[in-house]
Formats: sequence, structure tokens, C-alpha cells
Amino acid sequence: KAGVTQTPRYLIKTRGQQVTLSCSPISGHRSVSWYQQTPGQGLQFLFEYFSETQRNKGNFPGRFSGRQFSNSRSEMNVSTLELGDSALYLCASSRREGADTQYFGPGTRLTVL
Amino acid sequence: TQLLEQSPQFLSIQEGENLTVYCNSSSVFSSLQWYRQEPGEGPVLLVTVVTGGEVKKLKRLTFQFGDARKDSSLHITAAQPGDTGLYLCAGPRTYKYIFGTGTRLKVLA
Repeated sequence: KAGVTQTPRYLIKTRGQQVTLSCSPISGHRSVSWYQQTPGQGLQFLFEYFSETQRNKGNFPGRFSGRQFSNSRSEMNVSTLELGDSALYLCASSRREGADTQYFGPGTRLTVL
Repeated sequence: TQLLEQSPQFLSIQEGENLTVYCNSSSVFSSLQWYRQEPGEGPVLLVTVVTGGEVKKLKRLTFQFGDARKDSSLHITAAQPGDTGLYLCAGPRTYKYIFGTGTRLKVLA
């Protein structure tokens, strides 16, 4: 069974631009969660999507948004990029929503210049 | 306030040595998970401990959940360079997982 895939793996943007990241969950998994990982803050929860609906949200500004499609694939968008948005963005899929066992993708490394 | 504190933050040891890393909290968790993350990759789940006092072994790795379910430890016997990585503990909190601060381990050949 294929694992979680994320595209692109690396991205370089400049301040003020926007970016869209993509995540394909494991087949049969309906929940996708997004995390931001930085050296200073560690792994922090952004939001979770289940059945095309955002179910839970972490403490991030509205510039961070996402959506989920009917095939469970998810996209995350960050608008008006700031230098501090440079991070590894990870998505994780699970069968059920909430605190179910998660399987992580390899991440997208975003660098904001 | 970090709910899950891990120690040590960094650890560099020689191949063949033993080591223990800790995950501590002042809160009770229904379960705790341990992940290993290698550079450029996402975290990979190693184990989930559920019962207070539970001990699980995964080859040279031994995981223990504290009796009060507030802490956990990971012991590696005869560490190998392939054990190098970031070790993260995580616990469920309502609708999401809280991750610990991480222990970055480097095993030198």
C-alpha cells in the first residue's frame, strides 16, 4: 500500500507571495492533518480535514488555510508569506478523525526569502 | 507551555553504547507514541504505549509507559549509526496529537 505523498518536496518563495502544498493520503484514509515543524517550535498542529470538512484547527493565523477533496486529497495554502513561515510542512493521514493513529508524509520544505 | 518535555535535547554517542531518552508531562495521557524522524523525512511511528507500567520491545528499543501515565522512556541497547535521528513522543489531546520537544540522537561509527 502506498504511503502518504506530498508535493512539492521543496519550495522557495519570497515574502508576500502565496503557496499551495498538496497531500495524498494512504488509500482508505479519510482524515488529513497538517503540521508545521520548525527548530524553535517543534511540531505544531495546523488543522485537520475529514470528509471534506475542516474539523479542528490549531492556533495559526487566517493566512493558513486548507481544503480537502472528495478523494481525500488535501491542499494547504499560505497567503502573504512571511519569513517566519519557513518550515517543514508535514501532512499525516489516518482512518478516522481526531486522535487516531497517524502516518506522516515526507513533508514539503518551504523557504521564504 | 510545552505539555511534553523531552530530555536530553541532544545526544551524541559511540556505536555500541546504551542510552535512554525521556518524555515527561505534568498531565495524564491515555496513551503515548514514539516516532523517529530522519533528515528530510516525516516522522515514522515506532510504538504506542497504552497501559500504565507497560513495557514494549522493538528489537534493541525498549519503551516504557510510566505507572501514572505521565511519562515514558525509550531505551536503546547497543546503539547503531542507523538509530541516528530525531525521536519524538506524542500524546493525544482532545482532537489532535501534542508532540514533545524532541531528542536529536547521533550515533557515531
